[in-house]
Amino acid sequence: RKEVEQDPGPFNVPEGATVAFNCTYSNSASQSFFWYRQDCRKEPKLLMSVYSSGNEDGRFTAQLNRASQYISLLIRDSKLSDSATYLCVVYNQAGTALIFGKGTTLSVSS
Amino acid sequence: DGGITQSPKYLFRKEGQNVTLSCEQNLNHDAMYWYRQDPGQGLRLIYYSQIVNDFQKGDIAEGYSVSREKKESFPLTVTSAQKNPTAFYLCASRVTGGNQPQHFGDGTRLSIL
Repeated sequence: RKEVEQDPGPFNVPEGATVAFNCTYSNSASQSFFWYRQDCRKEPKLLMSVYSSGNEDGRFTAQLNRASQYISLLIRDSKLSDSATYLCVVYNQAGTALIFGKGTTLSVSS
Repeated sequence: DGGITQSPKYLFRKEGQNVTLSCEQNLNHDAMYWYRQDPGQGLRLIYYSQIVNDFQKGDIAEGYSVSREKKESFPLTVTSAQKNPTAFYLCASRVTGGNQPQHFGDGTRLSIL
């Protein structure tokens, strides 16, 4: 099993849609999880951390399921500006570096 | 403004040449990282450093070298032994202690002439 796996997509949705991405991870000892956003030919930027209890930031909701070792990101009321690649990120076995999934591409159209 | 500065933004390498990518941060972060990203691929860890004068190999260290003589600086040298260096190189840093997220510079694109 790869360390971090994501459905590459692309997910093509209309404006206003709700879309969800899932990510699975292999290291059961991982303590911290993040979602990053990467625009074309740009650096990744932190979107949100993922907490055990789940957390919400505006239209974005992140959930963690430790038992099944997956993380999810829900985007409500999609905007054109949400079009990007979303990277699922977990800490490595030693807890010293982040391991990135290959990303899920979202395209929001009008 | 605090941040991570990578230079140059674009770099071209001739066959057999070593090139060095610069990464400087003024965030007072202890840990620094180098990643490589190929088109349509995820980020792969090259080297990382948790503290000055110490660094560890990541998943794809062959053909690369680093140094960490100062807290603020973590340059990456792409040596002639790296046969496929064309990629987007990203430097990141973070606070150590607790599982903190990383913050990235805006990257260097390296191509072979």
